[in-house]
Amino acid sequence: DIQMTQSPSSLSASVGDRVTITCQASQDIRKYLNWYQQKPGKAPKLLIYDASNLETGVPSRFSGSGSGTDFTFTIHSLQPEDIATYYCQQYDNLLYTFGQGTKLEIK
Amino acid sequence: QITLKESGPPLVKPTQTLTLTCTFSGFSLTTSGVGVGWIRQPPGKALEWLALISWDDDKRYIPSLKSRLTITKDTSKNQVVLTMTNMDPVDTAAYYCARWTSSLGAFDIWGQGTMVTVSS
Repeated sequence: DIQMTQSPSSLSASVGDRVTITCQASQDIRKYLNWYQQKPGKAPKLLIYDASNLETGVPSRFSGSGSGTDFTFTIHSLQPEDIATYYCQQYDNLLYTFGQGTKLEIK
Repeated sequence: QITLKESGPPLVKPTQTLTLTCTFSGFSLTTSGVGVGWIRQPPGKALEWLALISWDDDKRYIPSLKSRLTITKDTSKNQVVLTMTNMDPVDTAAYYCARWTSSLGAFDIWGQGTMVTVSS
């Protein structure tokens, strides 16, 4: 099974900061990596699909990059409404593994 | 507008079988490239994908739980049903259903989730 290692598990940043989260796959998953945002008590929301494609309606301050085993998710200018937990998810081998999540807080 | 909604018992006893229903609208599970998946989240923990059924009735399960899970669809009712046998307190979680689209390769629309507690 493919394992996803997401880091950090939590981070604290200030409004306006650039925030970066990484996700590493245990084997090559090509570009098949998605990023979701989950606010407390809510269902996850798709932000990025196929590593770097912004879902319709998602603000352009969110971006993703990477391929193979190493992927990066970036918030270019953190906003108060971005407080949430972020998850990566792979689907390369017809199984759909999530990372362990990164809880983002405001300083 | 695309919506999904989960329903099922909020409380089950250990060893019982859990049956969850996902009722959806705004899309068809007969459309090529569409699927519905189930994902769960224990309190304070990460998301865990459980199962997915595709438009062509292909079924996928998380290997660690495959022996306990069954996913089926009723396209006439726009419903997907997940059964999980031999429930244990560690299965206490919020259970979500979500639409999968091969065009994005992602779960693009999610239900609100339903909390299931396993306790005697």
